[in-house]
Amino acid sequence: DARVTQTPRHKVTEMGQEVTMRCQPILGHNTVFWYRQTMMQGLELLAYFRNRAPLDDSGMPKDRFSAEMPDATLATLKIQPSEPRDSAVYFCASGPRGVDTEAFFGQGTRLTVV
Amino acid sequence: AQSVTQLDSHVSVSEGTPVLLRCNYSSSYSPSLFWYVQHPNKGLQLLLKYTSAATLVKGINGFEAEFKKSETSFHLTKPSAHMSDAAEYFCVVSAFRGTSYGKLTFGQGTILTVHP
Repeated sequence: DARVTQTPRHKVTEMGQEVTMRCQPILGHNTVFWYRQTMMQGLELLAYFRNRAPLDDSGMPKDRFSAEMPDATLATLKIQPSEPRDSAVYFCASGPRGVDTEAFFGQGTRLTVV
Repeated sequence: AQSVTQLDSHVSVSEGTPVLLRCNYSSSYSPSLFWYVQHPNKGLQLLLKYTSAATLVKGINGFEAEFKKSETSFHLTKPSAHMSDAAEYFCVVSAFRGTSYGKLTFGQGTILTVHP
């Protein structure tokens, strides 16, 4: 049963610490999304990759956030330094080629910055 | 540019009554449209998708949606609500051209409450 795997599922960290979230997309998918979900803002697109190349990261605070795909089986989202306002659920999703194909979501990483 | 507007942030129905969740979209090109559902503390699951084939799309769990180009709408319906339908529902549009090809843009979500 193919699925998107995110680690860790939960993370509590202190303000100022570096946080790394990982995502394993479904094998063969060439599109990867990172979304952030909060009560106030809903689902926000942070970054979007196709064939490992970043296409749109306009939703990501550049001073502290970075997103990469070191290889086709791993996507990472880093926050350095973390702040309390970064507390949210971060979702990774992957999708096969094509505009009419949906994205498959992971279970999310719930981040709490204290 | 593309966007979706979900017209209701909360919808409350009684079990066994019809469900209507409203979504309007904006897109520079013919869009692909999706509905996702998110149960509490869970990830997002695809309910159904429209991809320029039939305008009436059937999804899982008895849900369906109708694409109306003239009204730029893609409303989600179900004839009879079940308690297990209580969740948050998201309308999503996908870009068709350019570097944003395949980019998914989410609406703000509609929380569906089902009363016994």
